[in-house]
Amino acid sequence: QVQLVQSGAEVKRPGASVKVSCKASGYTFNGYYIHWVRQAPGQGLEWMGRINPNSGGTNYAQKFQGRVTMTGDTSINTAYVELSTLRSDDTAIYYCARGIYYDNIGLLRWGQGTLVTVSS
Amino acid sequence: QSALTQPASVSGSPRQSITISCTGTSSDVDDYNYVSWYQQHPGKAPKLMIYDVNKRPSGISNRFSGSKSGNTASLTISGLQAEDEADYYCSSYISSSTHVVFGGGTKLTVL
Repeated sequence: QVQLVQSGAEVKRPGASVKVSCKASGYTFNGYYIHWVRQAPGQGLEWMGRINPNSGGTNYAQKFQGRVTMTGDTSINTAYVELSTLRSDDTAIYYCARGIYYDNIGLLRWGQGTLVTVSS
Repeated sequence: QSALTQPASVSGSPRQSITISCTGTSSDVDDYNYVSWYQQHPGKAPKLMIYDVNKRPSGISNRFSGSKSGNTASLTISGLQAEDEADYYCSSYISSSTHVVFGGGTKLTVL
């Protein structure tokens, strides 16, 4: 079955960087964009961007441009999101997700989420 | 980009129907048939309920339906059940470098 399994929780200092992984299984990794969505405590969903694992092409939300990098390793079916210059308001659960088909934004499959805490 | 606008909360009694609205602009909801709806229970990942305005993924009850008129999309849940109590989010494709925008979320309470 299709699964997206994310790396474990992280605690970071302000100004540091964090890299979260998302390992895909049960489908052709190259065949679907991977999206990253975050959710601050008690808040709504926020789209960060997406990566085409086949080409490495990315689209980032304007808010995160210059601070986010999304990459993929097709040899191990894993996508990554790295966020730099962390602030306290980056504290959130970070989710990876896959669309219902190739580049659709209807996100059918979700990882379990990774809690990133930014605190001094 | 501003988030899509949803009511903060809606409520209904079992077996009733409710509708959640999602208002955007000419750059998103109005211009593209790429509206999705998600259900999220506390402590869980979001679950896709509707995509492409009115399509249901396999396994989603036909009690859930989506529609769009102009810059406002809607999610209707008929025959409300206790397990429908959750947060609901809409999203849309947007014609900018930010490809996807979410609504602020609506808390559904089943009375």
